[in-house]
Amino acid sequence: DTAVSQTPKYLVTQMGNDKSIKCEQNLGHDTMYWYKQDSKKFLKIMFSYNNKELIINETVPNRFSPKSPDKAHLNLHINSLELGDSAVYFCASWGGINLSPLHFGNGTRLTVT
Amino acid sequence: TQLLEQSPQFLSIQEGENLTVYCNSSSVFSSLQWYRQEPGEGPVLLVTVVTGGEVKKLKRLTFQFGDARKDSSLHITAAQPGDTGLYLCAGETSYDKVIFGPGTSLSVIP
Repeated sequence: DTAVSQTPKYLVTQMGNDKSIKCEQNLGHDTMYWYKQDSKKFLKIMFSYNNKELIINETVPNRFSPKSPDKAHLNLHINSLELGDSAVYFCASWGGINLSPLHFGNGTRLTVT
Repeated sequence: TQLLEQSPQFLSIQEGENLTVYCNSSSVFSSLQWYRQEPGEGPVLLVTVVTGGEVKKLKRLTFQFGDARKDSSLHITAAQPGDTGLYLCAGETSYDKVIFGPGTSLSVIP
């Protein structure tokens, strides 16, 4: 039973399109994240939500809009996709207990052509 | 701004060799975590180090947290092909914000 699941796993689209990535966790965690991993494998935090409330919003273009309908779900919508948006996007959840680990999904590889 | 650096960036070794990967920062962290990421998957936690000078062992992997809690190392003894992957160190900078180092990509050749 997958703890953090993301869909789709692969997403190929053209510049200018709008796309969404979905994430769900069944761990009962209150905090969820979106990270972006670039071609050099650098994992950079984008957003964090705690119980549906936006906590962290890093310097991310406002074309990226996260939405959390409930604490088990955190979706990422991207408008007007650009070539530079190509990356692997990871969803993660955290139990909120000090020193507990982040639990990651298996990523969504986004390719913008 | 708190940043984590890792070295080396890439490492390719023969099976059976030993290796050490380093994670450094100019800032103090209350704890550091090490994750391993395999191709097509998300990072998975290996260990969390909390106390300055702490040493933790996980089979052939030995993790150390620097006395000043600004750096950490991961030592692998007798590396095996199954150890191949991307090793990431991570630290919490503020409430719920976990940042990652750039990673060390390890390849163990049979």
